[in-house]
Amino acid sequence: EAQVTQNPRYLITVTGKKLTVTCSQNMNHEYMSWYRQDPGLGLRQIYYSMNVEVTDKGDVPEGYKVSRKEKRNFPLILESPSPNQTSLYFCASSLDPYNEQFFGPGTRLTVL
Amino acid sequence: SQKIEQNSEALNIQEGKTATLTCNYTNYSPAYLQWYRQDPGRGPVFLLLIRENEKEKRKERLKVTFDTTLKQSLFHITASQPADSATYLCALDTGTASKLTFGTGTRLQVTL
Repeated sequence: EAQVTQNPRYLITVTGKKLTVTCSQNMNHEYMSWYRQDPGLGLRQIYYSMNVEVTDKGDVPEGYKVSRKEKRNFPLILESPSPNQTSLYFCASSLDPYNEQFFGPGTRLTVL
Repeated sequence: SQKIEQNSEALNIQEGKTATLTCNYTNYSPAYLQWYRQDPGRGPVFLLLIRENEKEKRKERLKVTFDTTLKQSLFHITASQPADSATYLCALDTGTASKLTFGTGTRLQVTL
């Protein structure tokens, strides 16, 4: 089954404790991206990757890092999480930036 | 400034009627426009993509129009059903970066 998986699905953590949210896709897609979704602000792109070892900033990259060492995986790293990073996070993949995006199930992050 | 506007107020319609949702944009010249459905707490699901040289696209009970002069897309659901209740997001390419930008979505509520 074609899918994008994210882990964990739910996470409560404290300020400053480094965390990683994993994202994996099994569709051999070259393009992957991370979004955060907040009430009233909609989906905002954090980072995207056009291919292995190629990443670039989206609209709200501050406080986040990503890596793309393999085509299927695109982890999101929060080196020092802060409460304003409490949000619902989605990973997505597609053949290219302009075609159908396949979204993961989401990770609900709470930073205390 | 660049903006994508969707009606933030919920749209309430009766079962069997046609729902029409609007996506307006300013200062973009997108080549593609997409519509997604999102259920609470879940990732968006792709519905339709329309290109700038296409005026209209249909898929089962769904129809999308794209007017590049008015800078507007309309999304229609005919013979609406309570199962169509969800938030609908439009997304378009910004024309200058390899990414999609999403609107904040319109919540549709279909009642019996």
